[in-house]
Amino acid sequence: DTGVSQDPRHKITKRGQNVTFRCDPISEHNRLYWYRQTLGQGPEFLTYFQNEAQLEKSRLLSDRFSAERPKGSFSTLEIQRTEQGDSAMYLCASSLAGFSYNEQFFGPGTRLTVL
Amino acid sequence: DQQVKQNSPSLSVQEGRISILNCDYTNSMFDYFLWYKKYPAEGPTFLISISSIKDKNEDGRFTVFLNKSAKHLSLHIVPSQPGDSAVYFCAASEGNGQNFVFGPGTRLSVLP
Repeated sequence: DTGVSQDPRHKITKRGQNVTFRCDPISEHNRLYWYRQTLGQGPEFLTYFQNEAQLEKSRLLSDRFSAERPKGSFSTLEIQRTEQGDSAMYLCASSLAGFSYNEQFFGPGTRLTVL
Repeated sequence: DQQVKQNSPSLSVQEGRISILNCDYTNSMFDYFLWYKKYPAEGPTFLISISSIKDKNEDGRFTVFLNKSAKHLSLHIVPSQPGDSAVYFCAASEGNGQNFVFGPGTRLSVLP
């Protein structure tokens, strides 16, 4: 399977714990995106990378959230001191830069539940 | 304030008939629009897109119409099939932005 993969698919944690999610994009894609989706809503943009550079961050990305893409391939999203409001589906997407507009391919998501 | 709205949370259509999903937006700077389809336990899948320089784009059974003056777009599926049953998201971006703004989605059920 050469699509976008995310790990883990599900994570249950207690409030105050730190969690880290991983995203592996489609191999030739140089752009990688993180979104958050809550029940009944569409995905909300969090941040995106072009290669290893983080080019845009949403104001939704509080200082408890940090994303990295150290070698321009996979990415991690860490949430520190989780809160119940962080419970959501975290989606990763990737695309190939070089076009004015480009289709983003989504992974299956990581569902986070904070107890 | 939602910049992309899909006012119908759900829609049921008979197999073989037309499905029309609607989307309204408030940001006049949006110039690129997409529709994504999402099945349970999967990420959204790209369906079709349209640039603001066009008013229609067609791909097989799927056609997207854009009315810029009304800030409205619609997705037509003809003929509808049971496999089309999914949640459909409208999304928009401005300039060369990578920040797609998604609507809340419409759940389409195609009844056999």
